[in-house]
Amino acid sequence: ETGVTQTPRHLVMGMTNKKSLKCEQHLGHNAMYWYKQSAKKPLELMFVYSLEERVENNSVPSRFSPECPNSSHLFLHLHTLQPEDSALYLCASSRGPLGYNEQFFGPGTRLTVL
Amino acid sequence: GDSVTQMEGPVTLSEEAFLTINCTYTATGYPSLFWYVQYPGEGLQLLLKATKADDKGSNKGFEATYRKETTSFHLEKGSVQVSDSAVYFCALSVLQGAQKLVFGQGTRLTINP
Repeated sequence: ETGVTQTPRHLVMGMTNKKSLKCEQHLGHNAMYWYKQSAKKPLELMFVYSLEERVENNSVPSRFSPECPNSSHLFLHLHTLQPEDSALYLCASSRGPLGYNEQFFGPGTRLTVL
Repeated sequence: GDSVTQMEGPVTLSEEAFLTINCTYTATGYPSLFWYVQYPGEGLQLLLKATKADDKGSNKGFEATYRKETTSFHLEKGSVQVSDSAVYFCALSVLQGAQKLVFGQGTRLTINP
C-alpha cells in the first residue's frame, strides 16, 4: 500500500464502548497528525507527533487518547465518547517539521457515536 | 492568532465557467499557503501551494498567487469541469514546535453540465 491509510473507514459505537482508530503512513514521514472534521466547522487539529513525540495537544478532551508507537503508525483510542464526537477523523503525515512541507491525508474514519 | 477566512459556499457554476474562491489570512510571520481539495468520501489532497510572497502555485488548471500586501491567496480556474465538484480548503502553515495547518471552513463547489 502507498500513502496514508486509515482503518476502520466507518465506526459506530455506543457511549460506553472503547475503540481505536488506526493510521499508517508508507511515505517515510516523521510527523503525524490527527484532525477532526465536523459538519459546518473548520478542520480542527487535535494532536501532532514529531519523531514519535507528542508536540501538540489542542485542548482535546481526555476521552481521546493518542498513541504513536513508531513513525509509521498512529492510533487514536476512544472511550466514553459523546454524540457530539461524531465526525470524520482524519490522519495526516508530513516530512519533518518544516512549515512548507505539505501534509498527506488519509481517507478518514467516519465515526458515529450513539 | 493565525486564521484563514474563505468565501462562504456553496458555489454552483456551469461547466466551462470561470472560478474564483476567495481566501484571506491573518498570520504572524511568513506562513506557507495551501489549497487542499476534498472529493466525496475521500481525505484531503494538496491542490497547490506557495511558500513566499508573489509565488504562484498551479496544478490541474487551478492557480493561486501569494499576495502579502492583501494577505490573500485566491483560487482561480479559467474553465471548470464537472469533475472539479468538491470541497476546497485554504490553509496556512505555521511552525510552532511542529508544522501546523490552520484551515478555512471550506467552500463546496458544484459544477453542473
